[in-house]
Amino acid sequence: GAVVSQHPSRVICKSGTSVKIECRSLDFQATTMFWYRQFPKKSLMLMATSNEGSKATYEQGVEKDKFLINHASLTLSTLTVTSAHPEDSSFYICSARLAGSVWETQYFGPGTRLLVL
Amino acid sequence: GENVEQHPSTLSVQEGDSAVIKCTYSDSASNYFPWYKQELGKRPQLIIDIRSNVGEKKDQRIAVTLNKTAKHFSLHITETQPEDSAVYFCAASPRNNDMRFGAGTRLTVKP
Repeated sequence: GAVVSQHPSRVICKSGTSVKIECRSLDFQATTMFWYRQFPKKSLMLMATSNEGSKATYEQGVEKDKFLINHASLTLSTLTVTSAHPEDSSFYICSARLAGSVWETQYFGPGTRLLVL
Repeated sequence: GENVEQHPSTLSVQEGDSAVIKCTYSDSASNYFPWYKQELGKRPQLIIDIRSNVGEKKDQRIAVTLNKTAKHFSLHITETQPEDSAVYFCAASPRNNDMRFGAGTRLTVKP
């Protein structure tokens, strides 16, 4: 149980294009999903918290117009990197928290490796 | 906001020895402390967690201890095996929707 998928697993795009990453909870409903960014050999940096049916909450320093988040259902959240540039290249990981759970356990997706040329 | 510090950044042990990783947190309101294991290029996997209403939790070779007064918690791995080699992250959660991770510890278990 508590499986989270992410698609695509890796993407290479040209500078200036937009890339959409999907995060799905496969066997549970997730009221809240989280988007992290991870640089090589570094920790997980929270970018934003995505709540179903409402606007995402972005961490300080994360441009909301650059990283568009949509959480349209209890099983799907999407992150769109708009007008991507080489500095956006990174490993993006989502996580999901079980709807209605008292505790904070997050289950992670497998990640999406983005390379912007 | 919450700030989590993790030590050491790298740890090398001989197979069969124990490994200990320590974390401190700043927000006394934090009440949930998970530990994740991440292998290269893969997702973080929850290996054990502890809530603030207990001081210790054990699951086979893995144990976690929590000292709320000192605001620190530790991961203990006994009888280490090569497959325990990975990066381990601690985290602290002070309230809904807000979990902060430590910088990670790269554990190498030498056969």
